[in-house]
Amino acid sequence: ETGVTQTPRHLVMGMTNKKSLKCEQHLGHNAMYWYKQSAKKPLELMFVYSLEERVENNSVPSRFSPECPNSSHLFLHLHTLQPEDSALYLCASSQDMGGGQETQYFGPGTRLLVL
Amino acid sequence: AQKVTQAQTEISVVEKEDVTLDCVYETRDTTYYLFWYKQPPSGELVFLIRRNSFDEQNEISGRYSWNFQKSTSSFNFTITASQVVDSAVYFCALISWGSNYKLTFGKGTLLTVNP
Repeated sequence: ETGVTQTPRHLVMGMTNKKSLKCEQHLGHNAMYWYKQSAKKPLELMFVYSLEERVENNSVPSRFSPECPNSSHLFLHLHTLQPEDSALYLCASSQDMGGGQETQYFGPGTRLLVL
Repeated sequence: AQKVTQAQTEISVVEKEDVTLDCVYETRDTTYYLFWYKQPPSGELVFLIRRNSFDEQNEISGRYSWNFQKSTSSFNFTITASQVVDSAVYFCALISWGSNYKLTFGKGTLLTVNP
């Protein structure tokens, strides 16, 4: 089993749909992250969870709702998205957020298209 | 404010040439970590190296080498004898802990190695 998996790999949704992205890590890590990568923009950190508690929320619109039920799983619930939300959504995990354990390992991403 | 600058948006070289990717960072924190990631066309970011602010030793791993210089706030990455498989987007990133956790990615450099 690869370290960090994401499903689905591709998703097309209408603006009124509700969908969820799933991330699972098999590395025994304590921290998980959601990123958005748009064309010609730097990677944007959206959410950070450490030991299932949200640590960081970088002013992300409420139509994105994260959920971390345990340290191995992270979800991103999507609701009434806009076309500009079309992007590659990447999940990552790290052993911890500090103490020399910050190295993040990434999943393959979910390519989202909002019509 | 924390910042990571990758001034080279795109670089194109011919196979077997050496190429250096530049990364300049800004942070007010004294403890920080620098990273390089590779993103091939498949989309998944692959971790290459991590350096902490107290370790200025340069590192070599096969054809890859990294030059960390605190005096110029730079963490440059050199690929020796480039190969077509090195074609990817390369990201430099900075994590620091001051009063709070901060993570910043550069905009990336697209490297194309032509046969």
